[in-house]
Amino acid sequence: DAKTTQPPSMDCAEGRAANLPCNHSTISGNEYVYWYRQIHSQGPQYIIHGLKNNETNEMASLIITEDRKSSTLILPHATLRDTAVYYCIVRRSYNTDKLIFGTGTRLQVFP
Amino acid sequence: SQTIHQWPATLVQPVGSPLSLECTVEGTSNPNLYWYRQAAGRGLQLLFYSVGIGQISSEVPQNLSASRPQDRQFILSSKKLLLSDSGFYLCAWSVFGQGAPGANVLTFGAGSRLTVL
Repeated sequence: DAKTTQPPSMDCAEGRAANLPCNHSTISGNEYVYWYRQIHSQGPQYIIHGLKNNETNEMASLIITEDRKSSTLILPHATLRDTAVYYCIVRRSYNTDKLIFGTGTRLQVFP
Repeated sequence: SQTIHQWPATLVQPVGSPLSLECTVEGTSNPNLYWYRQAAGRGLQLLFYSVGIGQISSEVPQNLSASRPQDRQFILSSKKLLLSDSGFYLCAWSVFGQGAPGANVLTFGAGSRLTVL
């Protein structure tokens, strides 16, 4: 599975959009991009995933560049409850289904 | 709906004592099951995963073992705990699929926090 690179930390003002970048320059054609987040002392929570097209759900939007070498997770209106570590993972959908987490981005939402 | 249960939530054990953490999943059949560990201030480390009863794959050599005696039960064990076994242990499940909506999405339990003294 391709490796990802994320900034270690980011800040965002409450109510503003939080844009979390992820580089995955070695991604292959059959690998999906997954995003999870982990609020302190809890288990990680799935947010969204995509292959090529941009995706949106009730939690966030995922923007994948045309060459698929990078993506951005967008939280449109960040709240204090969005403070967490955000993990970007790329993997194939049909292998043994392991998910290997990197170090992620620690997002701090401030009032 | 599917639920995942982990217990105990918290435990403090002396060095050299045994360990048993249990995880059960409800509302699904033949899930893939996982044990992750998170040391204090560190990232998530995959310890074991299982695609079926009695089928366990170990990701890293360590002082721990895993077993899957039933389809929806996953147990993490140790015969003699080390100080380095302290951490936050997370069980997770997923259903294997190829591109289906929600396929391969991991759902995590609430975690078990282990302190070895």
